[in-house]
Amino acid sequence: DAMVIQNPRYQVTQFGKPVTLSCSQTLNHNVMYWYQQKSSQAPKLLFHYYDKDFNNEADTPDNFQSRRPNTSFCFLDIRSPGLGDAAMYLCATAGRVSDHEQYFGPGTRLTVT
Amino acid sequence: GQNIDQPTEMTATEGAIVQINCTYQTSGFNGLFWYQQHAGEAPTFLSYNVLDGLEEKGRFSSFLSRSKGYSYLLLKELQMKDSASYLCAVRVSDYKLSFGAGTTVTVRA
Repeated sequence: DAMVIQNPRYQVTQFGKPVTLSCSQTLNHNVMYWYQQKSSQAPKLLFHYYDKDFNNEADTPDNFQSRRPNTSFCFLDIRSPGLGDAAMYLCATAGRVSDHEQYFGPGTRLTVT
Repeated sequence: GQNIDQPTEMTATEGAIVQINCTYQTSGFNGLFWYQQHAGEAPTFLSYNVLDGLEEKGRFSSFLSRSKGYSYLLLKELQMKDSASYLCAVRVSDYKLSFGAGTTVTVRA
């Protein structure tokens, strides 16, 4: 009964080689988020979707893109990964405002070689 | 900008009580969350405070003072499985959270 699923759990890519991380949800939530979390740091919001409306954070590098083809799926594309992009990438969802909570997936640990 | 501060590390003994403080200065405030995150895993929801006061949920309690920009998470009867990072997060708008860097709690036998 997994609710927010991320694949793969571990991803290794080469410097400059495009990589895509995926997230799916069974909660039928309107909002989906991508966070980047480096070791011992706060999760940093990259962008979020409210339905199909894309909301980019001002300091998210252009190297990071996202797609949400339908309610259930959301993708994070890193066009040219650098060594500094090695991190845990967390996908989260949220329903109605009154539900308060964000539900997180298990994360994808990205290594850049 | 958002500023959310919490201690980096805390250590306590099994069965003891630990209080993790969080202070915040944010552009908006629609409530404060505490999440637990075990190493290499996703954050899991612990508590949510939107009004001043104490919310108790089993061994965990969370307190909020909006006028002081302050919250704490109280963990009672500590167990080894409580060793984790605890993240304070402020809901700065309807759908956005701003997180602190987390407090790593180590429980010793």
